[in-house]
Amino acid sequence: GAVVSQHPSWVICKSGTSVKIECRSLDFQATTMFWYRQFPKQSLMLMATSNEGSKATYEQGVEKDKFLINHASLTLSTLTVTSAHPEDSSFYICSARDPMKDRVETQYFGPGTRLLVL
Amino acid sequence: GQNIDQPTEMTATEGAIVQINCTYQTSGFNGLFWYQQHAGEAPTFLSYNVLDGLEEKGRFSSFLSRSKGYSYLLLKELQMKDSASYLCAAMDSNYQLIWGAGTKLIIKP
Repeated sequence: GAVVSQHPSWVICKSGTSVKIECRSLDFQATTMFWYRQFPKQSLMLMATSNEGSKATYEQGVEKDKFLINHASLTLSTLTVTSAHPEDSSFYICSARDPMKDRVETQYFGPGTRLLVL
Repeated sequence: GQNIDQPTEMTATEGAIVQINCTYQTSGFNGLFWYQQHAGEAPTFLSYNVLDGLEEKGRFSSFLSRSKGYSYLLLKELQMKDSASYLCAAMDSNYQLIWGAGTKLIIKP
């Protein structure tokens, strides 16, 4: 149980284009999902907390107009990197909490999306 | 401020035991998580401690001392597949996870 998927797993795009990443909870409903970014050999950096039916809460330093988050349903959150630049190249990982689990605080991670902007 | 400290890298031998330490400072505390992350992959959940003491789960055990702001992950009977980064994360009073930088564990035959 508590399986999270992400699509795509890999994306290569040209500078200036927009990229959409989907995060789905497959066997549970997630009212809250999290978006992280991880640069090589560094720890996870929380970008934003996505709540179903409301606006995402962004961490300090994360541009909300550049990283658009939509959590339109209890099983799907999307992250759109708008006008991507090479410095946006990173490993983007989503996670979700399963409110039905005994330990609701546990975050379950998707497999991640590796973005390369040329 | 909020802070998590764990060693950057550790090396151990196949079949041996290794202990990865983590100290934390957070605004409030709602538990301590350990995740395993293989290179190029997303983290996978290993353990959660919110009460003092040791929790054992197969070859892996996790310990917490809230008064000392300290936790460790103990790996027994090490296997080559245990080579990975181990992330310590503490949950603060707002239920936000504060992540450590991770400990890269290298297992040698």
